[in-house]
Amino acid sequence: KQEVTQIPAALSVPEGENLVLNCSFTDSAIYNLQWFRQDPGKGLTSLLLIQSSQREQTSGRLNASLDKSSGRSTLYIAASQPGDSATYLCAVTTTTSGTYKYIFGTGTRLKVLA
Amino acid sequence: SAVISQKPSRDICQRGTSLTIQCQVDSQVTMMFWYRQQPGQSLTLIATANQGSEATYESGFVIDKFPISRPNLTFSTLTVSNMSPEDSSIYLCSLAGLAGDETQYFGPGTRLLVL
Repeated sequence: KQEVTQIPAALSVPEGENLVLNCSFTDSAIYNLQWFRQDPGKGLTSLLLIQSSQREQTSGRLNASLDKSSGRSTLYIAASQPGDSATYLCAVTTTTSGTYKYIFGTGTRLKVLA
Repeated sequence: SAVISQKPSRDICQRGTSLTIQCQVDSQVTMMFWYRQQPGQSLTLIATANQGSEATYESGFVIDKFPISRPNLTFSTLTVSNMSPEDSSIYLCSLAGLAGDETQYFGPGTRLLVL
């Protein structure tokens, strides 16, 4: 059974710091991995999607890497800003007989202090 | 991406009653899903909403408790039946497969409190 874990569960950093969020999954047979942010009481916003054949994806100050064999992904946020404060979730996608299934991690609550 | 709306955005309900949540998308999409997010928790997939056929439910979720409809490629409903306080959660619809894009997009969520 696929399990997705995120470390740390919470993180508080001063503005301007570079930071890394971690996502681990137990079964390397994934189709893709996606990173989201969730603001309090809101839905999820997609940040980056990495296909299983890719090693990394970049969008602005965000860089996500994927090491499928070791079951790990990292989200790197450069020059953090107070507006980055949110909960960050990773989700792995698996597929069986054409059916897609998404399993979410436990999330990392990030607070960037001004 | 797509514009996804959910109604209602929030509700307070009495135990034993039922609530139907609507999810509307501004584009035709292949896959639509319903999730539950209990307070302080991550997301749990309830079911995949299949257009024109019965939804596919995940382990621990049953059709009698969470009936789902998907009459077309842009609309779905989730009903939370015979509610109890344990059903207090955020319910989110999502979609994937938009124009061949595998990215999953989420609606704003429906915050439900059951008294």
